Amino acid sequence: EPEVTQTPSHQVTQMGQEVILRCVPISNHLYFYWYRQILGQKVEFLVSFYNNEISEKSEIFDDQFSVERPDGSNFTLKIRSTKLEDSAMYFCASSYRSLNSPLHFGNGTRLTVT
Amino acid sequence: AQSVAQPEDQVNVAEGNPLTVKCTYSVSGNPYLFWYVQYPNRGLQFLLKYITGDNLVKGSYGFEAEFNKSQTSFHLKKPSALVSDSALYFCAVRDNGNAGNMLTFGGGTRLMVKP
Repeated sequence: EPEVTQTPSHQVTQMGQEVILRCVPISNHLYFYWYRQILGQKVEFLVSFYNNEISEKSEIFDDQFSVERPDGSNFTLKIRSTKLEDSAMYFCASSYRSLNSPLHFGNGTRLTVT
Repeated sequence: AQSVAQPEDQVNVAEGNPLTVKCTYSVSGNPYLFWYVQYPNRGLQFLLKYITGDNLVKGSYGFEAEFNKSQTSFHLKKPSALVSDSALYFCAVRDNGNAGNMLTFGGGTRLMVKP
C-alpha cells in the first residue's frame, strides 16, 4: 500500500536556525497537509496545500513557516528561525480528494530545538 | 468553527470486553467524521469515517462507530477488545458547511487493554 514518507525522522537544531522538513506524499494525491503534535498530545493543524498554493492555514502558521512543492513529488515545511516552542512531532499528510477523503499520514519528523 | 471533544483522557478495559471511546463534535454544517489510531512513534492511521448514509459505520480491525446527529456524537466501539488495541485514538471532524478542508482533531484518548 502506498505510504507517505517523511525525512528526517529526527532533527535537532539550535534556536534561531532554519530547518526544512521533507515529505513525499502518495503519488496520486492532490491535497497536502502539515500537522504537529506536542508531547504526544493534541494534533494541531498547520496548513493545507492544493494546486500549488496554500488553501488554508492556522494561527500557528505565521511568517516563520512556509511550504513548498518544489518538484512535483516533494512537499516541504520550512521554519525560518526556530524557537524552543517549535519542538514537536511534525506530520505530513495527503489525501486524494478533499472533504470526504481520509488523510494518510507519514510517521513524522521529531524536531528538537535546543 | 468546528471542534471535537474527547472527554476521556484514558479508557481502561479488560481483554475480551467491549470498549467504547467517546467523541462529540460541533460544526455549522454537516459533519464528516473520522477516527484515527496512533501507535508509539508512528503517524496516525485511518480507522473509519462517516460521510453520509447508515449511522453505524464499520472500519479496520473490527472497530465500528455510531453517528448520532441529535447528540452530536460519534463514539468508537469494538465488541471484544484485544491487548494489541492499546493505543492513542483520535476523533476528527470536517465541516462541509465551510469552504476549507481542514481536519480538526480531538485531544485523543489513550486506550489501555489489560490481559
